[in-house]
Amino acid sequence: NAGVMQNPRHLVRRRGQEARLRCSPMKGHSHVYWYRQLPEEGLKFMVYLQKENIIDESGMPKERFSAEFPKEGPSILRIQQVVRGDSAAYFCASSRSQDEKLFFGSGTQLSVL
Amino acid sequence: AQTVTQSQPEMSVQEAETVTLSCTYDTSESDYYLFWYKQPPSRQMILVIRQEAYKQQNATENRFSVNFQKAAKSFSLKISDSQLGDAAMYFCAYRSSGEYGNKLVFGAGTILRVKS
Repeated sequence: NAGVMQNPRHLVRRRGQEARLRCSPMKGHSHVYWYRQLPEEGLKFMVYLQKENIIDESGMPKERFSAEFPKEGPSILRIQQVVRGDSAAYFCASSRSQDEKLFFGSGTQLSVL
Repeated sequence: AQTVTQSQPEMSVQEAETVTLSCTYDTSESDYYLFWYKQPPSRQMILVIRQEAYKQQNATENRFSVNFQKAAKSFSLKISDSQLGDAAMYFCAYRSSGEYGNKLVFGAGTILRVKS
């Protein structure tokens, strides 16, 4: 059973471009979470999705950031018009149910030039 | 809002020795979960140990054990017989039991170095 798959592992964007980060949860998992890790800091919750629904987006910046988890395909975290401050490692995690153990991917390192 | 504090940015331990990583948290809730995660250079977050606040008994997983002091809001991780593979960043995390889903609050982390 493959773990949580994130791609790309590294993503370089220039200021003003769009970044799209992909996450395929573990097989059988319908709960997906996105976390952001800034340099020298712990992970910070961004958004919680369950197939086709956003359950909690309280950690998501109000502008430029969006997330989806369609019925088919991976979850996507989309950052429009990136700025240098968006440079961070973005982690996806999944679980089978809302109370079960969380499994993390290896993250996508976003660098904004 | 809950906060998690790890006051040790970096710790070192000799191979085969024991080391304790500190974590304190702030909450007004009585029921919650606490976790220790390990992040090696590969960057993947690995769950080391989990503790339910309503359980008096400290959780243990092989060489890893916790000292959970609910009244003091302290949750330290003890690693016995340290191995080179234990070298990593360790994060303490909190989750409210009343929260729907796995919304974790993380501390800033402690880098653990293991000397041979």
